Amino acid sequence: EAQVTQNPRYLITVTGKKLTVTCSQNMNHEYMSWYRQDPGLGLRQIYYSMNVEVTDKGDVPEGYKVSRKEKRNFPLILESPSPNQTSLYFCASSLSVGSFYEQYFGPGTRLTVT
Amino acid sequence: GQNIDQPTEMTATEGAIVQINCTYQTSGFNGLFWYQQHAGEAPTFLSYNVLDGLEEKGRFSSFLSRSKGYSYLLLKELQMKDSASYLCAVKLNYGGSQGNLIFGKGTKLSVKP
Repeated sequence: EAQVTQNPRYLITVTGKKLTVTCSQNMNHEYMSWYRQDPGLGLRQIYYSMNVEVTDKGDVPEGYKVSRKEKRNFPLILESPSPNQTSLYFCASSLSVGSFYEQYFGPGTRLTVT
Repeated sequence: GQNIDQPTEMTATEGAIVQINCTYQTSGFNGLFWYQQHAGEAPTFLSYNVLDGLEEKGRFSSFLSRSKGYSYLLLKELQMKDSASYLCAVKLNYGGSQGNLIFGKGTKLSVKP
């Protein structure tokens, strides 16, 4: 089944404790992206990747890191999480960043930082 | 700066037609997406417009006017399951970057019997 998976789905952590949210897709997609969704602010793009070893900042990259060593995986790293990073996170992928290719979203990761 | 505006909430009746508007002011434009998001779930793709005009897909249609910075999503024969948030998003294309996607805050549609 074609899908985007994220782990963990739910995470409660403390300020400053490094964490990684994994994202994997099995569709051989070139483009992958991370978003956070907050009430009243909508979806905001954190980082995206056009292909292996190619990443770029979205609108809200501060406090986050990403890597794209393999085509299928695009982990999101929070080196020192803070309470303002409490949010719902979505990973997404699409065949390419070119026209007419829809993005498939993962199920989301709800992160709480205390 | 980048700005995308949509109404916050709308209400419509089952079986009716509803139009959800989206206006945008962005530096660079390379297409506009519409997504549907049910509460607690991930967004799902509805449509993508890059040229002016109307794209029809079953009960859903999406329109784009690039000169006016305007799009709408038209939902016909509304069903209760259409109660969801509808997200408008613009794909940017500037400074060599083609992967940046900006979302509006979404329109929460409630369909009443």
